[in-house]
Amino acid sequence: QKEVEQNSGPLSVPEGAIASLNCTYSDRGSQSFFWYRQYSGKSPELIMFIYSNGDKEDGRFTAQLNKASQYVSLLIRDSQPSDSATYLCAVSGSARQLTFGSGTQLTVLP
Amino acid sequence: DADVTQTPRNRITKTGKRIMLECSQTKGHDRMYWYRQDPGLGLRLIYYSFDVKDINKGEISDGYSVSRQAQAKFSLSLESAIPNQTALYFCATSDIGVGGADEQYFGPGTRLTVT
Repeated sequence: QKEVEQNSGPLSVPEGAIASLNCTYSDRGSQSFFWYRQYSGKSPELIMFIYSNGDKEDGRFTAQLNKASQYVSLLIRDSQPSDSATYLCAVSGSARQLTFGSGTQLTVLP
Repeated sequence: DADVTQTPRNRITKTGKRIMLECSQTKGHDRMYWYRQDPGLGLRLIYYSFDVKDINKGEISDGYSVSRQAQAKFSLSLESAIPNQTALYFCATSDIGVGGADEQYFGPGTRLTVT
């Protein structure tokens, strides 16, 4: 079982809709959770991190964490074509290393 | 100027050759990392360093070595390149953030092809 699993996609949503990206992790000792955006051929770019249960909002992005269910999600409201990218979930455990999921490719259709 | 730079950006080399990828950062971070990315496999950690005297193996260190020449420089070497080391290589840096979260910041990547 992979340590960090993401819905593989690809995921397509119409412009203006809410995109929902999901991630589960296996290590209950995981402490911090990150969402990165990666455009094709480019490096990952940090969007948000969360370390407490509940929701964290930043503009159109909301990260949600449920440690009991070992689940973290990213909601993108009012999706724009410029949001089309691969989204990587990363989890930091007690060793302070990041373990990445394989990513979910999102396409926002105009 | 970019905070994290990698050289070269693209490299084609032959099987058996030694190659070095270099990473420099101006962010003042102590922690540096090397990852490789393969299609469908996400990012996998090769080596990481929490300071100049601290080097640690990651998930896939076999066939690779590293050198931390200074706080700002971290190099990755392939002593004898093989075709399955063809991948996109990223350097990243981090410092301890809020709540202990180690936000990592990535360089632009090096696309390496071993023929």
